[in-house]
Amino acid sequence: GDSVTQMEGPVTLSEEAFLTINCTYTATGYPSLFWYVQYPGEGLQLLLKATKADDKGSNKGFEATYRKETTSFHLEKGSVQVSDSAVYFCALSGGGTSYGKLTFGQGTILTVHP
Amino acid sequence: DTGVSQNPRHKITKRGQNVTFRCDPISEHNRLYWYRQTLGQGPEFLTYFQNEAQLEKSRLLSDRFSAERPKGSFSTLEIQRTEQGDSAMYLCASSSTGTGVKAYEQYFGPGTRLTVT
Repeated sequence: GDSVTQMEGPVTLSEEAFLTINCTYTATGYPSLFWYVQYPGEGLQLLLKATKADDKGSNKGFEATYRKETTSFHLEKGSVQVSDSAVYFCALSGGGTSYGKLTFGQGTILTVHP
Repeated sequence: DTGVSQNPRHKITKRGQNVTFRCDPISEHNRLYWYRQTLGQGPEFLTYFQNEAQLEKSRLLSDRFSAERPKGSFSTLEIQRTEQGDSAMYLCASSSTGTGVKAYEQYFGPGTRLTVT
């Protein structure tokens, strides 16, 4: 079945550091890929998405590129801020009859210090 | 657009009791999803509806769980004879379908935290 694997956390960075959170997936067909973010005390929010190979999703300075050859969708940001501290979830929506439901990774906790 | 709302936000119940949660999706969304999230894990899919039809149920959804969306608007998730292992955050999400840019993007509610004592 479909699965998503994220890098182990937690990740702790200083403000303005470069961020990478790795995400790899297993799926049949041609899934869509997503990053969701959960800020402290808030619900899940869609951060960015990519629906086909080589697409780049971007939002709020975050980027991720859909790499079919490596089955990856790594999240990057060039300069993190304290306000980026949150839990980040990689997710996929499988093809065919599975389309729509999301399969999530386990989440990566990011803490950014001033 | 008021977003997805869920009620109650917190529920504490004794083992063996029945509980029911409600989800109100974004008004123009025809799909509604239920997920369960335990501490330190990502959400796990439970079931989803398109309009009033329940199209898929996860194997996680035992016979004690039932979900309805009678008029294609709000949905309820009922857990009968609760067990301590049911303690989790229950999340609802909604989306539209079709070919628009935002089709199939899921928007989540704040969740209902269930504690079974």
